[in-house]
Amino acid sequence: AQSVAQPEDQVNVAEGNPLTVKCTYSVSGNPYLFWYVQYPNRGLQFLLKYITGDNLVKGSYGFEAEFNKSQTSFHLKKPSALVSDSALYFCAILRYSSASKIIFGSGTRLSIRP
Amino acid sequence: EAGVAQSPRYKIIEKRQSVAFWCNPISGHATLYWYQQILGQGPKLLIQFQNNGVVDDSQLPKDRFSAERLKGVDSTLKIQPAKLEDSAVYLCASSLDVDSRSGELFFGEGSRLTVL
Repeated sequence: AQSVAQPEDQVNVAEGNPLTVKCTYSVSGNPYLFWYVQYPNRGLQFLLKYITGDNLVKGSYGFEAEFNKSQTSFHLKKPSALVSDSALYFCAILRYSSASKIIFGSGTRLSIRP
Repeated sequence: EAGVAQSPRYKIIEKRQSVAFWCNPISGHATLYWYQQILGQGPKLLIQFQNNGVVDDSQLPKDRFSAERLKGVDSTLKIQPAKLEDSAVYLCASSLDVDSRSGELFFGEGSRLTVL
């Protein structure tokens, strides 16, 4: 069954430095992949998606993600981190069964220090 | 555009008591989801409605959890009787598409349940 894994519970980055939040996936066929962000005491917000086409997809708040089929990865990136980027980030995948549904990874806490 | 509304935001009950959560999705959204998010974990899908029909409830503990979506709009999630391990945030989400392929779910702020 389609699934995603986030190997890092926490990522710490200095403000202004580039950031990467890792995600790997497992799927038979072509994956539909997504990133969501959760700020404290807020609901999850959609950031970006990969369905087909360019391997580099751009999303909200200056984030982008790189799809790599050979490494089965979909890492979230940003060239210059902001303190306000500190949040919980979830990778997700579309799972095909009797009904299509979105399955989330375990999450990575991103902390940006000033 | 109004977002997904959920209530109550917080609820504290004792084990074996019952609780109900309410969700009002974004107007016109065909699909409604209930996710359970336990502290330190990713959201787990409990049930998915398309209009007012259930399309997936494979992860719903049906001996204690129930959910309905009235007239294809509002939804209620009930737990009876509650167990300690039900302590979590219950997230409601909606999407415009009927098959989730866009991946663009709109989430409410969640209902935090504490079972003592």
